[in-house]
Amino acid sequence: DADVTQTPRNRITKTGKRIMLECSQTKGHDRMYWYRQDPGLGLRLIYYSFDVKDINKGEISDGYSVSRQAQAKFSLSLESAIPNQTALYFCATSDFRAGTETQYFGPGTRLLVL
Amino acid sequence: DQQVKQNSPSLSVQEGRISILNCDYTNSMFDYFLWYKKYPAEGPTFLISISSIKDKNEDGRFTVFLNKSAKHLSLHIVPSQPGDSAVYFCAALTPYGSSNTGKLIFGQGTTLQVKP
Repeated sequence: DADVTQTPRNRITKTGKRIMLECSQTKGHDRMYWYRQDPGLGLRLIYYSFDVKDINKGEISDGYSVSRQAQAKFSLSLESAIPNQTALYFCATSDFRAGTETQYFGPGTRLLVL
Repeated sequence: DQQVKQNSPSLSVQEGRISILNCDYTNSMFDYFLWYKKYPAEGPTFLISISSIKDKNEDGRFTVFLNKSAKHLSLHIVPSQPGDSAVYFCAALTPYGSSNTGKLIFGQGTTLQVKP
């Protein structure tokens, strides 16, 4: 079983709809992240959480919100989806307590906003 | 303002030859760097990293070189294999204690194609 899972893997929605992307991890890591990937722009950080009670905005948080329901779960919401939020979304985890900066990524969610 | 840049969107090499992927950064406070590899329909996977106290780190066919004075790092793959065909991202860790503490800043990625 994958250590970092994302649901759904693909989603098509319409402008103005609210959608939620979910991430779960079995790695026991304390830190979790949401990124989006766009062609030519690499991976950009949306939100990150260093523990359950800690939520921080990344470089492109406008139009997004997150919830860290438990150490293992970190969800990303688009309150009112717009077409320029069409992208590939990745969740990642890292284990700061282990003294490593390596992040482990889920398989991604491909989102299309019409 | 792109703090980590990969100026070559794509690179094509012949199997068995060396692949060199380049990455430049602007913030001299970055002190830890990572390379990730990404296949289609998968998430990025960690490949190799280097701390600023070193100028080279090697792991099998993969070697990362760091030139701090030039704010430049490169990933060498020798010999290149068709299975290495993927998108490669470099990333820099923001320093702890700053307002951007402990986050990774990614470059745009370079698509490597290794031809048989």
